[in-house]
Amino acid sequence: DIQMTQSPSSLSASVGDRVTIACRASQSTNNYLNWYQQRPGKAPNLLIYGASNLQSGVPSRFSGSGSGTDFTLTISSLQPEDFATYYCQQSYTTPFTFGPGTKVDIK
Amino acid sequence: EVQLVESGGGLVQPGGSLRLSCAASGFTFSDYWMHWVRQAPGKGLEWVAKIKQDGTEKYYVDSVKGRFTISRDNAKNSLYLQMNSLRAEDTAVYYCARLPDFYGSGRGYFDYWGQGTLVTVSS
Repeated sequence: DIQMTQSPSSLSASVGDRVTIACRASQSTNNYLNWYQQRPGKAPNLLIYGASNLQSGVPSRFSGSGSGTDFTLTISSLQPEDFATYYCQQSYTTPFTFGPGTKVDIK
Repeated sequence: EVQLVESGGGLVQPGGSLRLSCAASGFTFSDYWMHWVRQAPGKGLEWVAKIKQDGTEKYYVDSVKGRFTISRDNAKNSLYLQMNSLRAEDTAVYYCARLPDFYGSGRGYFDYWGQGTLVTVSS
């Protein structure tokens, strides 16, 4: 199974800050790497697929980069609605594993 | 509008059974791989199972193999998860999610999720 790790596990930031979250896979995901945002009590919401493709309807302040085993989610200017937990996920091999999540809260 | 609506969750004793359903609408259900993902209280997301468009391929996470069965009825636009021999560690919100399969590989991303249904395993 491909193991996913994320760093940091949590961070505190202010509105307007640039935020970067890292995700690492234990082996190559062939860029089948997705990012989801989850607000409390809600279902996850797809932000980025294929490592760097912005899902339709997602604000352009979100971006993804990376390849192979190392990936990054960047929020260029944090907005109030962005305080949430973010998960990376590989969908290259079964089981489709998720990272442990990164909680972004208000400083 | 794409909708996925789960139902069937509830309180069940250890060793018991439960059948979850996911009603799909707003898209051609038979075109998509369908998945179940769960989230224990206060924990992260865990992929549980997936089923191919025609139901001929099914895969499970190791922790549920032999206890859970995923199935679908394309005529009813519905996905199911039969859960037997339930354990306390199966307590979670269970989400169904669809995966667009543009290239027939079964790989991709979950573009729509249901709202989830809570399963609590406790005596």
